Amino acid sequence: QSVLTQPPSVSGAPGQRITISCTGSSSNIGADYDVHWYQQLPGTAPKLLIYGNTNRPSGVPARFSGSKSGTSASLAITGLQAEDEADYYCQSYDTRRSHVFGSGTTVTVL
Amino acid sequence: EVHLVESGGGVVPPGGSLRLSCAASGFTFGAEWMSWVRQAPGKGLEWVANIKDDGTEQFYLDSVRGRFTISRDNAKNSLFLQMNSLRAEDTAVYYCAKRGYYGSGSYYNYWGRGTQVTVSS
Repeated sequence: QSVLTQPPSVSGAPGQRITISCTGSSSNIGADYDVHWYQQLPGTAPKLLIYGNTNRPSGVPARFSGSKSGTSASLAITGLQAEDEADYYCQSYDTRRSHVFGSGTTVTVL
Repeated sequence: EVHLVESGGGVVPPGGSLRLSCAASGFTFGAEWMSWVRQAPGKGLEWVANIKDDGTEQFYLDSVRGRFTISRDNAKNSLFLQMNSLRAEDTAVYYCAKRGYYGSGSYYNYWGRGTQVTVSS
């Protein structure tokens, strides 16, 4: 059972905007720890997508954005593209369990 | 360019041992905290262990503490994970990851391709 909860799957048509939620608690996101996001394409290692809640590493397209509020965070993908089909994970710090990951969300482009 | 290359995975019976290695290049290895993260078949990511840049502090997932040992050799730009008393639930791809820092917390800015560990009789 993951400490951070994500929806198992999200889908959208090309060009649409989708959001992925990441729900935590007062011992992690709600304790003001930053949230980070990773993209894992099929058969590959995870890749950092968003760090520090809202920041994109160099090379990550601007259609990916992150936000955080209270005990939750969200990843938004605008202008969804076929190449965005992947698994997405949030990550934060938990005062009781050190580094924690979300349960993961599979994005399907219809 | 940062490169992390894991090795040492394989098939081992329950109760057995394995030593994973991670060869790092492209950055000042001895100045960075490093981690191991694993992913069981069809499952999500799970943090396993962290080690401080100078090797003096280590932190572990509760379920591996006392069985796994993370270590490093900064002279050889290498990270290790000694895994003893292996269990079926330790079966996973094990990733070596470099930590980055921002605000209140850290993240993983570079990952290796992973090495498969299978615990089975």
